[in-house]
Amino acid sequence: GENVEQHPSTLSVQEGDSAVIKCTYSDSASNYFPWYKQELGKRPQLIIDIRSNVGEKKDQRIAVTLNKTAKHFSLHITETQPEDSAVYFCAATLPAGNNRLAFGKGNQVVVIP
Amino acid sequence: NAGVTQTPKFRVLKTGQSMTLLCAQDMNHEYMYWYRQDPGMGLRLIHYSVGEGTTAKGEVPDGYNVSRLKKQNFLLGLESAAPSQTSVYFCASSSSGGSNQPQHFGDGTRLSIL
Repeated sequence: GENVEQHPSTLSVQEGDSAVIKCTYSDSASNYFPWYKQELGKRPQLIIDIRSNVGEKKDQRIAVTLNKTAKHFSLHITETQPEDSAVYFCAATLPAGNNRLAFGKGNQVVVIP
Repeated sequence: NAGVTQTPKFRVLKTGQSMTLLCAQDMNHEYMYWYRQDPGMGLRLIHYSVGEGTTAKGEVPDGYNVSRLKKQNFLLGLESAAPSQTSVYFCASSSSGGSNQPQHFGDGTRLSIL
């Protein structure tokens, strides 16, 4: 089955700097890669996603890049703000379908004011 | 538009008790999912459903049962609760239209089993 790993597990950045979180996946048939943000005690919320026919996608301060050959994708947050502090989860589709996702274990991002 | 609604939000059970968690979505989504979230473990799929009247096992199904009698509702049952089932449970739904639609999550149910 699909195995998704995230690195680093914890990331501290100064406010205004950039943060990058990398995920690797094992199954080359995976074709959809969402990123979720989860604040303490809240639900996971989709912040950006990318499909396998695209190499990069941007939405304001957030971007995701996908390298299908190396089987990894990364979340980039520029000009970080204190409200970006959260746990970020990456996921990849299970090739069996039904929109099922395999999630990574999450990255704690701490933005230091 | 409420999206995905989970009830209850919190519950404390004693070992051996049973209970049902309710998930309701108003987005007319075909697919629904139940996850559990434990510290350091991410989100793990318990069961899922691809439509009314259908259910299937996920990654960690043991000790749980589910039912999807109506398209908008997905129930998760614990027949005999165990301390190992202490967790935060999230329900999610997604559309079946097109290829790979995002999953939308409810607010979660925090369950403690003593």
